[in-house]
Amino acid sequence: GENVEQHPSTLSVQEGDSAVIKCTYSDSASNYFPWYKQELGKRPQLIIDIRSNVGEKKDQRIAVTLNKTAKHFSLHITETQPEDSAVYFCAASPRNTGTASKLTFGTGTRLQVTL
Amino acid sequence: GAVVSQHPSRVICKSGTSVKIECRSLDFQATTMFWYRQFPKQSLMLMATSNEGSKATYEQGVEKDKFLINHASLTLSTLTVTSAHPEDSSFYICSASPAGHSYEQYFGPGTRLTVT
Repeated sequence: GENVEQHPSTLSVQEGDSAVIKCTYSDSASNYFPWYKQELGKRPQLIIDIRSNVGEKKDQRIAVTLNKTAKHFSLHITETQPEDSAVYFCAASPRNTGTASKLTFGTGTRLQVTL
Repeated sequence: GAVVSQHPSRVICKSGTSVKIECRSLDFQATTMFWYRQFPKQSLMLMATSNEGSKATYEQGVEKDKFLINHASLTLSTLTVTSAHPEDSSFYICSASPAGHSYEQYFGPGTRLTVT
């Protein structure tokens, strides 16, 4: 089955700096890679996703890059703000077979943005 | 749109009893729902995939007789933790995938289960 590794486990940055979180996956059949933000005791919230037919996607301060050859994808947050502090999870999902595909999550990165 | 609710949000039960958790898609039909378990400071671990009208598919290591899943309608899936033990204490989160949108999953707010 799919195995997703995520680094770093914790990340502390100063407000205004950039943060980068990296994930690798093992299953070449995976073709959907979402990123979730989870605050303590709350549900994961989708912040950005990318499919295997593109290499990069950007949404304001957040961007995701995908390297299918190397089987890794990264989350980039620019101009970080204190409200960006949370746990971030990457995930991977296999090729669509007509029904909903299950997600395999990375281990999470606790991001702390300090003033 | 795409709202998923869970009930209850918190539950405390005694060891040996059973607890039912409901997951509802409020404004869309979900042919597939997923159940995850999340221990403190850990990632979400998929327990099972729930398909409307058919038996759930359980992940390796998850006991189907202990974690009963029923997906009786396109908007409701239930997870029953039978004969709960303290080690079952965890955060249980469901997600629902709209019919015809196989990539998207919308998460419920989670249920905090504490077994005493």
